[in-house]
This record gives sequence, structure tokens and C-alpha cells, in this order.
Amino acid sequence: DAKTTQPPSMDCAEGRAANLPCNHSTISGNEYVYWYRQIHSQGPQYIIHGLKNNETNEMASLIITEDRKSSTLILPHATLRDTAVYYCIVRVLGNNAGNMLTFGGGTRLMVKP
Amino acid sequence: DAGVIQSPRHEVTEMGQEVTLRCKPISGHNSLFWYRQTMMRGLELLIYFNNNVPIDDSGMPEDRFSAKMPNASFSTLKIQPSEPRDSAVYFCASSLELGYNEQFFGPGTRLTVL
Repeated sequence: DAKTTQPPSMDCAEGRAANLPCNHSTISGNEYVYWYRQIHSQGPQYIIHGLKNNETNEMASLIITEDRKSSTLILPHATLRDTAVYYCIVRVLGNNAGNMLTFGGGTRLMVKP
Repeated sequence: DAGVIQSPRHEVTEMGQEVTLRCKPISGHNSLFWYRQTMMRGLELLIYFNNNVPIDDSGMPEDRFSAKMPNASFSTLKIQPSEPRDSAVYFCASSLELGYNEQFFGPGTRLTVL
């Protein structure tokens, strides 16, 4: 899987949009971008994924650049409960060993009142 | 659905003792994963199963670690004998189909080996 680069930490004011960037400059055409988050003392939680089109669900929006070399996860109205480590992962879908999730360091998002 | 269930939530044991961690995946999910998380190494995939069959155990650190999945609703991760460096949070996750769906994680078991 292509490597990803994320800032180690970010702050966001409560109620404002949190924009979490991820660089994946070596991504290949069949690799998806996945986002998970891990709230303190809990297991990771799936947020959203996409291939090349922007995606939105009840939790967040995912914006992927046209060249697919970077993406941004957007939490439109961050709350204190969104404080967590956010992981950006690129992967090919499939049941080979290399298709499994590989977690990097992630971005520690602190939402402040 | 109750989600992925892990037990115990906390385990404290002494070096040399056998430790067994348990996991019940989400009903209907065909794939099950065991992860370990430490401050030093982050979140690491240890082993995963598909339809109760171990597919890849290359992440298992040593022969002291073993995992089984006797049926679709139960899996164990065993450490025998345990060592202080095994102290970590162990997560179990399940997914509908191997490699194609999101994984749902359990709350984890915090293991402390003294």
C-alpha cells in the first residue's frame, strides 16, 4: 500500500469545521483512501472511504484531489467528542495480505471549547 | 447488534503465566482480525481469519502467541508464557468480507504483564 503522510496534531475550535489533510503522492489507480479514527481508550472506528470522487456520509466528507495525491477529511461542525486520532490509510480492495489495513501515526485532533 | 465483544477488558498477570483473550465478532461477519497497540509500535495486525480459517499470521510476534477460531462466533488469542513486553492493548475486529469492507473494532483488552 502507498504510504501516507499526516500532520501529527491539529487543533480545532468547537463548532468549526475540522479539515484533516493527508498526502498519498504514490497512490496507484486501484487504491482507495480510507479514514478511521480512534477516540481515547476505544477501538478504531471507520469513518469514510473513497476512490476518486468526493464522498459524504453522516460523519464526514472526503475530498480527494483530481490527481489523487492528497485528500482532506472534513468534519463540518466539530464537537468535543470528535477529539481523537485520525488515520488516513490507502489500500487496494481484495483478500490478499497486502490489502489489509495498515495504520500509521495518524493526526491527533484536539477540539477545544 | 452489540458490536464486537472482547473479554476481559483488563487483564493483569505475572510474567510466565498464560493469558487468553476472547473475541466475539459481529454476527454474519466472515472475517476476524487481531491487532496489538503499543505506544512504541502503534497499531499492528497480528493475524486474521476468513470463514474461521487463519489466513495470515505473519504479524504474530513469536511462537508464544497463538490464535484460534473454533467457530464463526468466537476467537481466542493466547500468550503462553507471557512476558512484560507483551503489555499492550489488544483489539479484535470483524468485517463482512475479507478485504472489501470496513472493519468494526471491539473495545480492546488492556493487558499488563508484571
